[in-house]
Amino acid sequence: SQTIHQWPATLVQPVGSPLSLECTVEGTSNPNLYWYRQAAGRGLQLLFYSVGIGQISSEVPQNLSASRPQDRQFILSSKKLLLSDSGFYLCAWTEQYNEQFFGPGTRLTVL
Amino acid sequence: AQSVAQPEDQVNVAEGNPLTVKCTYSVSGNPYLFWYVQYPNRGLQFLLKYITGDNLVKGSYGFEAEFNKSQTSFHLKKPSALVSDSALYFCAVRDPNSGGYQKVTFGTGTKLQVIP
Repeated sequence: SQTIHQWPATLVQPVGSPLSLECTVEGTSNPNLYWYRQAAGRGLQLLFYSVGIGQISSEVPQNLSASRPQDRQFILSSKKLLLSDSGFYLCAWTEQYNEQFFGPGTRLTVL
Repeated sequence: AQSVAQPEDQVNVAEGNPLTVKCTYSVSGNPYLFWYVQYPNRGLQFLLKYITGDNLVKGSYGFEAEFNKSQTSFHLKKPSALVSDSALYFCAVRDPNSGGYQKVTFGTGTKLQVIP
């Protein structure tokens, strides 16, 4: 069966520090991968999606970047965090554009 | 452009009563529709989907949803609510005819509170 991992689970970082969040998927090949941010426990904002290794599309301009160095690995990064980057970050995957399966999320607090 | 609306920010229902969480959508073609549930500080969990076929879709935990094309709705229902159903519910839509990357659009979420 397929599983999706995210780490770390929680992170507290100072403004201006770098960020690296990792997401890995097991039990599937060539998944579509997504990064979302959820603010205040409500709506989801799609940040990035990837349909293959090295293929990244950004939905909104922002202080973040994403990379997909391996088929089942998706990384969210920032060189310098802003206060507004705080939130709950969710990774998700899907096959053939069906339902998405979400990871457990990373709670990021920027101080 | 596709969109989805969840008109109720919060729904309160007594335990044992039927529940309905509303969702309406807008797409140019025939939609793929999804419901997800989120418990506090957790990722979203897939509940059910409508792709084609029978308008009444049954999903996990006793939930079901009815696709109504004329009203462009996909309301989530359960005959008898449990306290453990209290969570945040998201409706989502995708237009399979949009070509290329098919973006999923999520609603803003409805908080369901089941009162003992």
